[in-house]
Amino acid sequence: NAGVTQTPKFRILKIGQSMTLQCTQDMNHNYMYWYRQDPGMGLKLIYYSVGAGITDKGEVPNGYNVSRSTTEDFPLRLELAAPSQTSVYFCASSYLGEGTGELFFGEGSRLTVL
Amino acid sequence: TQLLEQSPQFLSIQEGENLTVYCNSSSVFSSLQWYRQEPGEGPVLLVTVVTGGEVKKLKRLTFQFGDARKDSSLHITAAQPGDTGLYLCAGANADNQGGKLIFGQGTELSVKP
Repeated sequence: NAGVTQTPKFRILKIGQSMTLQCTQDMNHNYMYWYRQDPGMGLKLIYYSVGAGITDKGEVPNGYNVSRSTTEDFPLRLELAAPSQTSVYFCASSYLGEGTGELFFGEGSRLTVL
Repeated sequence: TQLLEQSPQFLSIQEGENLTVYCNSSSVFSSLQWYRQEPGEGPVLLVTVVTGGEVKKLKRLTFQFGDARKDSSLHITAAQPGDTGLYLCAGANADNQGGKLIFGQGTELSVKP
C-alpha cells in the first residue's frame, strides 16, 4: 500500500499565484487532515474532513480552501499566495479520528512563496 | 488557547547517554500521542497513552502520562544515532469537538556517534 501520497514535493510560487496541493490515500480512511509545519511551531491544523462531502476549518484556515469529493482525495487550494504561506504542508489520514486513532502522514510538500 | 509546551526544544547528546523530553500543559487531555519525524518525512506514531499514570515501553523508549493527564514524558535509554529526529507530542482535548489534536512545538534530538 502507498499510504498517503502528496504532490508536489516542492513548489515555488510568486506572490498572488494560486495552486493546489494534492493528497490521496488508499487506506479507505474517513478522516483526512491538512497541517502546516513551521520551524519551532509544531503542526497547525488548516482544514479537516470526517468523510466525503464534509469539510471543516481547523486552527489556521485563512487563505486556504479544501474539497472532499471522494474518500481517497483531499486537495488543498491556496488562493492568492502570500509569503506567510511559505511552509511545509502535511496531509494525514486516520481511521478513528484524531486523538483516538493513529494519524498517517504523507511525506510533505515544501512550498516557498516569493 | 490550549498549548502543549515541549522541552527542551533542542538536544544534542553523545551515543549511549540517556535523555528525557517533557510535554506540559495546563489543560487536561483525554489521550496523548508521541510522534517521531525524520528529515524529509512525515511524523510517524510511536505511542498513544490514555490513562493517567500510564507507562508504556517501546524497546529503549519509555513514555509516561501524568496522573492528572496534563503532561507526559519520553525517556530514551542509551541513545543511538538512529534515534536522531524531531519528537512531537500531541494531545487530544476531550472538551473540543471531535477531540482535535494539539501539537507541541517539537524537540529536535541529535545523537552523535
